[in-house]
Amino acid sequence: GQSLEQPSEVTAVEGAIVQINCTYQTSGFYGLSWYQQHDGGAPTFLSYNALDGLEETGRFSSFLSRSDSYGYLLLQELQMKDSASYFCAVLTPSGGSYIPTFGRGTSLIVHP
Amino acid sequence: DAGVIQSPRHEVTEMGQEVTLRCKPISGHDYLFWYRQTMMRGLELLIYFNNNVPIDDSGMPEDRFSAKMPNASFSTLKIQPSEPRDSAVYFCASRARDRGRYEQYFGPGTRLTVT
Repeated sequence: GQSLEQPSEVTAVEGAIVQINCTYQTSGFYGLSWYQQHDGGAPTFLSYNALDGLEETGRFSSFLSRSDSYGYLLLQELQMKDSASYFCAVLTPSGGSYIPTFGRGTSLIVHP
Repeated sequence: DAGVIQSPRHEVTEMGQEVTLRCKPISGHDYLFWYRQTMMRGLELLIYFNNNVPIDDSGMPEDRFSAKMPNASFSTLKIQPSEPRDSAVYFCASRARDRGRYEQYFGPGTRLTVT
């Protein structure tokens, strides 16, 4: 099976930088994805890493180290609207494709 | 595109009643997923389809749950009979065929309350 660990809650102030870590144990690992979910909303895709290194998309970056079974999501220039839950998800083989298994999520609270 | 469409958005029912949740995936997407989200268990995959065929239903909690996808534009998740512990938000998601980032697009969810 798969297991993922991420902190349950992170707090930061507006304008700051915050890093949300994710460690995983799995077989047949293919990649790591990140999703954002606002209260009452649906998860939305943020980023994906298949190879080691950093992927940057605007204020958000995601990092993967396959040898360490570790990744993180980096949010820069935090805004109030970034307050949400952030989920990492490992992609593993299933039925000829790759299917995500989600972590429990990290609640990010951004203070003024 | 309108995105993934789910109905109803909210459902309140009594224990023992049948509940049917509906989903219309994004046109052209080959994969459809049903998830359940609760505070206790997080976001769980219940079942997924590829080209309308169920591929993995190992996440379906028990025989009271069933899912169908009669065509590429429609899927249902049925609970019969419903129980209070089924109360959760149920999400449907779709994905294009395998390439790139395996990005999933989630619908707005159905909030189910079983009393």
